[in-house]
Amino acid sequence: RKEVEQDPGPFNVPEGATVAFNCTYSNSASQSFFWYRQDCRKEPKLLMSVYSSGNEDGRFTAQLNRASQYISLLIRDSKLSDSATYLCVAGRAGTALIFGKGTTLSVSS
Amino acid sequence: GAGVSQSPSNKVTEKGKDVELRCDPISGHTALYWYRQSLGQGLEFLIYFQGNSAPDKSGLPSDRFSAERTGGSVSTLTIQRTQQEDSAVYLCASSLGTSEQYFGPGTRLTVT
Repeated sequence: RKEVEQDPGPFNVPEGATVAFNCTYSNSASQSFFWYRQDCRKEPKLLMSVYSSGNEDGRFTAQLNRASQYISLLIRDSKLSDSATYLCVAGRAGTALIFGKGTTLSVSS
Repeated sequence: GAGVSQSPSNKVTEKGKDVELRCDPISGHTALYWYRQSLGQGLEFLIYFQGNSAPDKSGLPSDRFSAERTGGSVSTLTIQRTQQEDSAVYLCASSLGTSEQYFGPGTRLTVT
C-alpha cells in the first residue's frame, strides 16, 4: 500500500465551481501535513500546511481527519489559474516527507 | 531571501558518461532532499540529509547513484555510467527539520 494515496483525476471543472480533493495516508505516526501545487514543467510549491483544527487561506480550505487518516483540500470559486497538479504530503519526525502522486485539476472557461 | 538553487538547469549527456548535479539549499536549512520526476509522473524520493545524521539513501535506484552534502550545505548528486532511463528532472528541496520543503527549479537531464 502506498504511504500517501490520491485520486489522480483529472478533475475538469468550470470557472466558479467548488472542487474537493481527498488524500489518505497509511502511517498513523505522521505528524505534519501539507498541500503542494505543481504547474506543468515546474517545481512543486507549497500551497498550505494542514492543521488538526483545519485551516483556510482565501478560497482554499484544508482539513485533517486523524481518525480516518485523510486530508482534504477544498477550492471555492475556481479560477483558470488554479489549473495544476495538487500534491498531498505527510511526514513524521526524523524522516523525509512523503508525497502523493498528485491530483490534476483543469479549470475551463 | 534566496531560495534553493540548482545547476545546471539542463544537462544533455551521452549514455555511459558520469554527471554531477548541484544543489544550494536555503541558508540555515538543516535538511536537504533529492527527488527525480519523469515526464507525467510523481516525485520519486532519492535521498535525504538531516544535519549530521547518516543520510537516508533508501530511494537511490542503483549503486550508480550517490550524493554528498559538504559542510551541511551544498549537495552534489552523482550519476555514474548514465543510462537512458536516467533521463528525468532532478529536484532538490530543503527544509528546517521536517517542516515544509522548498524546492529548487530542478535540473533536466537528458541521456542520449
